Amino acid sequence: QVQLVESGGGVVQPGGSLRLSCAASGFTFSSYGMHWVRQAPGKGLEWVAFIRYDGSNKYYADSVKARFTISRDNSKNTLYLQMNSLRAEDTAVYYCAKDPVGYSSSPDPYNWFDPWGQGSLVSVSS
Amino acid sequence: QSVLTQPPSVSGAPGQRVTISCTGSSSNIGAGYDVHWYQQLPGTAPKLLIYGNSNRPSGVPDRFSGSKSGTSASLVITGLQAEDEADYYCQSYDSSLSGFWVFGGGTKLTVL
Repeated sequence: QVQLVESGGGVVQPGGSLRLSCAASGFTFSSYGMHWVRQAPGKGLEWVAFIRYDGSNKYYADSVKARFTISRDNSKNTLYLQMNSLRAEDTAVYYCAKDPVGYSSSPDPYNWFDPWGQGSLVSVSS
Repeated sequence: QSVLTQPPSVSGAPGQRVTISCTGSSSNIGAGYDVHWYQQLPGTAPKLLIYGNSNRPSGVPDRFSGSKSGTSASLVITGLQAEDEADYYCQSYDSSLSGFWVFGGGTKLTVL
C-alpha cells in the first residue's frame, strides 16, 4: 500500500535550518507530483510547496518563498524540504502528501492530496 | 485568515444530520475549481474524505456526501456517529497572484 514517512523534524533556533525527508513506498514515486503541507499547533492546514514528478517545476506559498526549497531524489523515492532562515511562525507539523494522478500537468488545479504522511514536528524556539 | 471560510464548529446528536459549509470566491470555487474534503481525527494526519466535489474514495461510508454550487461547497454527514467527531477541512485551488492550493480554516465537529 502507499506509504509516506516523514523524518528530520526537531527543535531549531530562529534563523536556523532544518531538512525534512519524506520516504515513499508502494507506488511509482517518479510518476507523481508531491506536496508539503503544514499545520501550526491548534491551527488549520496550510499548503507549503509542490514539486512536479520529474522535479522540473516547483511552487511555493508566499510565506516560505525564498527560504524553503523543495526537492526530490527519484532514485531514492524520497522527497525533501530544506528550510532556512526559520522563524517562530514556521513551528508546525509538516506533512508530505501525494498527487492523486500520475504525470499531472504542473500545477494541476483540480488535484487533491492523498495520502498524507504521519507528519514531522518542527519547533522554532530560542 | 483562510482563503476558504468554514464555520469554526458544528455539533449534532448521534443519528442526526449536519452540514459543514465552505465559502470561497470568484478566484477559487467560483472559478470552477473542484472542492475536496479531509477528515482529521484527533492526533492524526488528515485523510481524504471527498474529492472532486462529490466523489467518495473507497472505504468512505456513504453517510458522507459533498456538493458544490457557485462560490460555495458543502459537506453533509448523515446518521452521525461518535467516531465522526473530528476536524474537517475543505480544499480547492486559487488562481489569484499568490494563490495555489488553498484550505478552509477547518470545522470542529462535536457529536453530542
